[in-house]
Amino acid sequence: QKEVEQNSGPLSVPEGAIASLNCTYSDRGSQSFFWYRQYSGKSPELIMSIYSNGDKEDGRFTAQLNKASQYVSLLIRDSQPSDSATYLCAVNKGYGGSQGNLIFGKGTKLSVKP
Amino acid sequence: DAGVTQSPTHLIKTRGQQVTLRCSPKSGHDTVSWYQQALGQGPQFIFQYYEEEERQRGNFPDRFSGHQFPNYSSELNVNALLLGDSALYLCASSPTVNTEAFFGQGTRLTVV
Repeated sequence: QKEVEQNSGPLSVPEGAIASLNCTYSDRGSQSFFWYRQYSGKSPELIMSIYSNGDKEDGRFTAQLNKASQYVSLLIRDSQPSDSATYLCAVNKGYGGSQGNLIFGKGTKLSVKP
Repeated sequence: DAGVTQSPTHLIKTRGQQVTLRCSPKSGHDTVSWYQQALGQGPQFIFQYYEEEERQRGNFPDRFSGHQFPNYSSELNVNALLLGDSALYLCASSPTVNTEAFFGQGTRLTVV
């Protein structure tokens, strides 16, 4: 079982729709969870971090965490063509002063059609 | 506020050669981590530096080594390059107080 799993896609949604990206992780000791956006040929850009069970909203983005189910998701509302990118889920066992390292999934490629 | 900067942006080396990549962390960040990203894959953790010491290491051979300087900048060295070392090398910095990591633009290494 891979440590962090994502559906590789591609996930195609029409402009204005909600895009739903999912991620599962295997280590119950994981404490910090992140979503990165990566445009083709570019480096990953941090868009959301979440540490507690529940939802966290930032603009059009909502991250959801369920530690009991070992599941993290990212919702993108009112999707725009500029959201077309690969979305990487990353998990870190460290928290606060304990620096861990990021374990990434392979990423889900999102395509938003005008 | 300058973000994480890496140099060079692109590099072509011959199999067997050695390479050094450089990274300057975001202002206020003291922890630097290096990742390797092959095409179509997520980044893979190489190692992490804090207080000029290697604190954690991923599953990479000893050909991969690094250094952190007193100003928190860092270098990644790869010896005896193999064709399979061709990848995007990413540097990420983070503050001690939390685990949010920010990436530089990466160095694209091609080994021929």
